[in-house]
Amino acid sequence: KQEVTQIPAALSVPEGENLVLNCSFTDSAIYNLQWFRQDPGKGLTSLLLIQSSQREQTSGRLNASLDKSSGRSTLYIAASQPGDSATYLCAVRAAPPGGFKTIFGAGTRLFVKA
Amino acid sequence: EAQVTQNPRYLITVTGKKLTVTCSQNMNHEYMSWYRQDPGLGLRQIYYSMNVEVTDKGDVPEGYKVSRKEKRNFPLILESPSPNQTSLYFCASSLSTGGSGGYTFGSGTRLTVV
Repeated sequence: KQEVTQIPAALSVPEGENLVLNCSFTDSAIYNLQWFRQDPGKGLTSLLLIQSSQREQTSGRLNASLDKSSGRSTLYIAASQPGDSATYLCAVRAAPPGGFKTIFGAGTRLFVKA
Repeated sequence: EAQVTQNPRYLITVTGKKLTVTCSQNMNHEYMSWYRQDPGLGLRQIYYSMNVEVTDKGDVPEGYKVSRKEKRNFPLILESPSPNQTSLYFCASSLSTGGSGGYTFGSGTRLTVV
């Protein structure tokens, strides 16, 4: 059964710092991995999508990598800002023989201090 | 505007009174899914659909029903709601089962069962 783990559970950093969020998964049979941002009480905003054949994706200050063989993904945030404060979630879309479910990690709660 | 629309946004109901939460997408997506989000448990998949008339259980399907009679709509039905179904519910869609284009999420429905 696919399990997704995110470390750390919470992180507090000063503004301007570069940081890395980690996501690991137990089954390498995946279609893709997607990173989301969620503000308190709000919906999910997609940040980056990495297909299983890709190694990384970039958008602005964000860079996500995927190492399918080791079951790991990282989200790198450069020059963090107070507006980056939110919960960051990774989600894995399983592929056969694991079925077609999507499994979410529990998230990393990020606080960027001004 | 490409979007996933859920209704209602907030709902308070009594135990045992049947209810339906609607979900509609205007992107011609094949794959649609329902999630519930609970503190400490994260996002858990309830049901998903790979296309019209094709649905399958996620990790927490008990107490829920779904149907996919049209490509754009994927309603979530609670035949006899109970207090343990109090939660924040999200509908999401993606272009294909293989995850092309990643997920787009609705704004969420906060359900309280008393």
